[in-house]
Formats: sequence, structure tokens, C-alpha cells
Amino acid sequence: QSALTQPASVSGSPGQSITISCTGTSRDFGGYNFVSWYQQYPGKAPKVIIYEVSIRPSGVSNRFSGSKSGNTASLTITGLQAEDEADYYCSSYTNSSPLWVFGGGTKVTVL
Amino acid sequence: EVQLVQSGAEVKKPGESLRISCKASGYSFTNYWIVWVRQMPGKGLQWMGIINPDNSDTRYSPSFQGQVTISADQSISTSYLQWRSLEASDSGMYYCARRIIGVGADRGGWFDPWGLGTLVTVSS
Repeated sequence: QSALTQPASVSGSPGQSITISCTGTSRDFGGYNFVSWYQQYPGKAPKVIIYEVSIRPSGVSNRFSGSKSGNTASLTITGLQAEDEADYYCSSYTNSSPLWVFGGGTKVTVL
Repeated sequence: EVQLVQSGAEVKKPGESLRISCKASGYSFTNYWIVWVRQMPGKGLQWMGIINPDNSDTRYSPSFQGQVTISADQSISTSYLQWRSLEASDSGMYYCARRIIGVGADRGGWFDPWGLGTLVTVSS
């Protein structure tokens, strides 16, 4: 069982917006805003798309955005495209043991 | 270009030992912690542990403490993940990644880049 809870799957039509939630406890988030999101295509390594809750690394589409409220972080994908079909994982630094935790992952399907 | 190059796939029998590697290039190896993450077939990511290559300070997830050993060799910019006695349940993909922290921060961070992974298969 993962420390952070994500929906197993989310789907949407091209052009729509979807939001993936990532819920934990105050212990999971450690009182910090060290939440990151990773995109993983089948058979590929994960890639960071959001760090520190809402910051996009250079080169990541601005269609990806992150937020956090209380003990729930969220990843929103706007203008959904076929290339967004992948698995998405949230992660948080806990400042306890284990130092980091991942969510169980969400499979995004573009209808 | 920052890269983490992981060693090739391994097929082992239960009870055998194994060490897989993660060689860093394109940056100063001792300036960034290296994390190890497991992904079992068809499952999600599991944080195993992290090492500071500068002083070998290592932190493990309780789920993996005592089951694996993480180490680093500064001289060849390489981190290792090692098992003394493999079990079938150790089968999976193992990723290493570099941990980055924000400017002025001394904790937290995110993982970038990731190695391509090493597939470990343990079967009799």
C-alpha cells in the first residue's frame, strides 16, 4: 500500500482538462511543499514534470500544472493530448522515515 | 549532458548475490545525492533509499533496511545497489536517479534525471 493515494485511472477527451489528486497525511507531506510529479511511459524511466508543488522544469509543457491544499496535492493537465497518455506518480518528502514516499500511480487515458 | 547509466539486466537464482550499478556523468558526482527506486512488474514506484556520494551517508526506507545495501565509489562516479541473498520477490526494475534540491534548501528535493533502469529477474 502506497503512502500517498492516487486514483488508479483518469480519462478525458482530447482538449479537455483532467486533474489527478494525491492525498496523504500531514506526516506524508512533512509540513513542506516538497511535492513532485513524475510522468512514465510504458517501458520507460520516469521523468519529473512538476517539483516543489507547482514548478515546471524547463522543457515541460505549460499544460501541466500543480497545486496543493492541505494534505492533497493535485496535477492538472489542460488541453489533453494523445501524447499525455502515460502513468503519473506523485511523490513527497516526509522529513521522517522513509524520507520520500510515492503515490500508487494514475494511468491517464486519452479517449 | 547529465546522465545516469545503469548496468544491464540480470537473471539470478534465489540465494545468489547481486550488485547493480549506476554511473553518473556530466556533473560533479559528490554534489548530488543518488536515490534508488524499485518498480515491481505492473506496479508503482517504491522509494528504497538514498546516498550522499560525498560522505556515503545513506538513508533507507524501513521496507528495504537490512535487505539491500546502497554504496557509492567517488573515484568512478558510480553508485551501487547490492543484495546478499536474492529472493524471487526482489524481481523488478530498479532505477537510480539524482536528487536535486532548490536554491538555499537543505532538505526535500526531486529526482532528475533517472537512469533507464536495471531489470532484475530472480527465478529458480
